[in-house]
Amino acid sequence: AQSVTQLDSHVSVSEGTPVLLRCNYSSSYSPSLFWYVQHPNKGLQLLLKYTSAATLVKGINGFEAEFKKSETSFHLTKPSAHMSDAAEYFCVVRSFKAAGNKLTFGGGTRVLVKP
Amino acid sequence: DVKVTQSSRYLVKRTGEKVFLECVQDMDHENMFWYRQDPGLGLRLIYFSYDVKMKEKGDIPEGYSVSREKKERFSLILESASTNQTSMYLCASSTSSLAGGSQETQYFGPGTRLLVL
Repeated sequence: AQSVTQLDSHVSVSEGTPVLLRCNYSSSYSPSLFWYVQHPNKGLQLLLKYTSAATLVKGINGFEAEFKKSETSFHLTKPSAHMSDAAEYFCVVRSFKAAGNKLTFGGGTRVLVKP
Repeated sequence: DVKVTQSSRYLVKRTGEKVFLECVQDMDHENMFWYRQDPGLGLRLIYFSYDVKMKEKGDIPEGYSVSREKKERFSLILESASTNQTSMYLCASSTSSLAGGSQETQYFGPGTRLLVL
């Protein structure tokens, strides 16, 4: 069994300040973890993924996330927020399953960026 | 680029109607998925398919069925629509290829927002 908890449903930051989106997971197996972003009226886009290689993962648009097994966390960060970062972000864990790639999504964190 | 398209962006249906949501992908992916997205709940998996004519139930299959007659097309069917099926529906696809870890990534369509009155 697996689950994902995004600790904040909404995050508000000022442009140019750091962004932190928190994610905790549980998984019976060594997990693969992802962050997806969804801009208004757009489909989901993959930001980054962790698949048992380096624990610090760099993604697109200046985002990065660190896999911490001891804390079962996979928090997403960006040093300096941009107005275009306003979107909803989903933390996702992949089930270890022979057929298909079943994903379990967190509830989402909506990011507001203030000028 | 991978392209996943969904037949409608918006649909309005009445309670009891049969509803078809269509999804097509152009990357020869083996795996296809249907999710629904509701505020605060993230995406929940309804059904998925890892091959033509194959299907598996996801976490919330009740009230839904699916069809995969061709590799590129995966249809979601609401046999008798109900108001609690008002939601955003997202289709996704992924490859089963192990090359470069590419099997990990799912590619999503833009979504169909369904309103059942």
